[in-house]
Amino acid sequence: EVQLVQSGAEVKKPGESVKISCKASGYIFTNFWIGWVRQVPGKGLEWMGIIYPGDSDARYSPSFQGRVTISADKSVTTAYLHWSSLEASDTAIYYCARPQGAGPGPSDLWGQGTMVTVSS
Amino acid sequence: ETVLTQSPGTLSLSPGERATLSCRASQSIHNNWLAWYQQRPGQAPRLLIYGASSRATGTPDRFSGSGSGTDFTLTISRLEPEDFAVYYCQQYGRSLTFGGGTKVEIK
Repeated sequence: EVQLVQSGAEVKKPGESVKISCKASGYIFTNFWIGWVRQVPGKGLEWMGIIYPGDSDARYSPSFQGRVTISADKSVTTAYLHWSSLEASDTAIYYCARPQGAGPGPSDLWGQGTMVTVSS
Repeated sequence: ETVLTQSPGTLSLSPGERATLSCRASQSIHNNWLAWYQQRPGQAPRLLIYGASSRATGTPDRFSGSGSGTDFTLTISRLEPEDFAVYYCQQYGRSLTFGGGTKVEIK
């Protein structure tokens, strides 16, 4: 079965680091981009960035450039989203999503979401 | 960055009625690379339409997309109970961005 399975919820304090994951299965991991989308509870979707696991080419939305790092490990077919220093405003649900085609386009495969809560 | 503005913010309709959702871009979208998603409460988004008018696999034919350049429309011909949700447009012509969403609620 083609799927993306994300890691579990995280509760962190401001200034802490966290890395959430997105495990891909059922398809050739290195042939498709994987992106990340933020959704603050009750608000809309925000596209954060995307990575091509084949060569680790990562691209970021200007709104998130420098705030997060997107990476991928081909050996375990997993993409990651990492913060080195969290802020309360990072509290949100984070989805990974795979575009349906070869390029960084619309996504027809989504993870279940990971809730990250940042609170002192 | 291409900004997408969706209107209205909320659409109050009854089952069986027609829904028309708008998505306007701040600049012309390359190749009309615009997609529409549906998101139900507590669920991940679901791709409905790509390339402005092509239905994704599994999208019922009551959903249709149209438009070009900077103005795009998602039409739901007759609302079913499961269609009451939030809808987002996304452009993927230059990088990727989402619109702010339109909530379709039961009147």
